[in-house]
Amino acid sequence: GAVVSQHPSRVICKSGTSVKIECRSLDFQATTMFWYRQFPKQSLMLMATSNEGSKATYEQGVEKDKFLINHASLTLSTLTVTSAHPEDSSFYICSARADSVMNTEAFFGQGTRLTVV
Amino acid sequence: GNSVTQMEGPVTLSEEAFLTINCTYTATGYPSLFWYVQYPGEGLQLLLKATKADDKGSNKGFEATYRKETTSFHLEKGSVQVSDSAVYFCALLMDSSYKLIFGSGTRLLVRP
Repeated sequence: GAVVSQHPSRVICKSGTSVKIECRSLDFQATTMFWYRQFPKQSLMLMATSNEGSKATYEQGVEKDKFLINHASLTLSTLTVTSAHPEDSSFYICSARADSVMNTEAFFGQGTRLTVV
Repeated sequence: GNSVTQMEGPVTLSEEAFLTINCTYTATGYPSLFWYVQYPGEGLQLLLKATKADDKGSNKGFEATYRKETTSFHLEKGSVQVSDSAVYFCALLMDSSYKLIFGSGTRLLVRP
């Protein structure tokens, strides 16, 4: 299957700083990318959907000014957690879909564990 | 709204035991159904999928059948291995949306 690479896999940052997480589709063009947040022992919560070249669509309750998403190319989307606080500590996972066909498989990155101290 | 309900874990089995993880869904239309697996510290991997009623998805000895009449997509494996220990997520995808809707996940622990 296609490969989605997420970087970094782990990051520790100080409270008040910003952290950028990258999500790259390595061997296909991702027209749509998704960002999820996963709390310990819980399911994935969709944060936002991003389409290349347009603004991301955020799910209800997700602060768009805090979680900045950029999808500047067909192979790269970034999530920036701005002014991070300890409650932002979580496992963040991206996924990418190759085209607009409904049943096209979504490929997931390895995830990024963010710890804010 | 659309939703997925999975049995709560953890599920603890001995090696070579039979596995069933229940999954039911609620949807206004005809979704595609998926099982994803997450190994410790990793992202999700697609395990199997079914796109229409009565389809059976299978991979690595795991199977699930799309049952429209019972709105279910239960995951089964005849003989589990220690390496199957992971968290399993059932998910649906509606034709009207690109968004995967996940169940809460079921942790499987297989003991030698």
